[in-house]
Amino acid sequence: DAGVTQSPTHLIKTRGQQVTLRCSPKSGHDTVSWYQQALGQGPQFIFQYYEEEERQRGNFPDRFSGHQFPNYSSELNVNALLLGDSALYLCASSFGVGNTEAFFGQGTRLTVV
Amino acid sequence: DQQVKQNSPSLSVQEGRISILNCDYTNSMFDYFLWYKKYPAEGPTFLISISSIKDKNEDGRFTVFLNKSAKHLSLHIVPSQPGDSAVYFCAASSAGGTSYGKLTFGQGTILTVHP
Repeated sequence: DAGVTQSPTHLIKTRGQQVTLRCSPKSGHDTVSWYQQALGQGPQFIFQYYEEEERQRGNFPDRFSGHQFPNYSSELNVNALLLGDSALYLCASSFGVGNTEAFFGQGTRLTVV
Repeated sequence: DQQVKQNSPSLSVQEGRISILNCDYTNSMFDYFLWYKKYPAEGPTFLISISSIKDKNEDGRFTVFLNKSAKHLSLHIVPSQPGDSAVYFCAASSAGGTSYGKLTFGQGTILTVHP
């Protein structure tokens, strides 16, 4: 049983560019959440998707957007990249919106230069 | 506004001894608390959780204590093993309100267990 898988594992982008990160949830899970983890900090909630809709959003600008597909997989898009967007981006999946015992992927390390 | 705080950036203990990791929170709406462990180059792994209706939860070597009046929780690891060396994150959520369905994490504590 595959756990949460994220791609790519590492990415280098230039300021101003756009990036798309991908996540496949653990089998049986229908809810996907995205977190940003800056160096030396805990993960910060970006948003959560359930039934292909954004259900909750953290304190992130509109440059951060997402999508959930019918097979429950999800994408995180970041436009107009800033140096400060460099971080580890974590995807977490769970069954149901209120279930916070989430399973995390290994993350995508994004570096903006 | 740091709603979940882990004030100790690091902790070093000897193998076989007890490790105690602490976490404080400010949001009284939080009613569910979790601990995650993270190794380098891996995502956080769920360790143990506790609901606000309890004050203690045990799972093998891991015990979480919750003191609601002090808005404080702690994770005890007994006995500590070198394989427990990792970053430990405390996280909180609520069954309703603005924290529903999302986790608010502390900054993490680096635990090093020496053989």
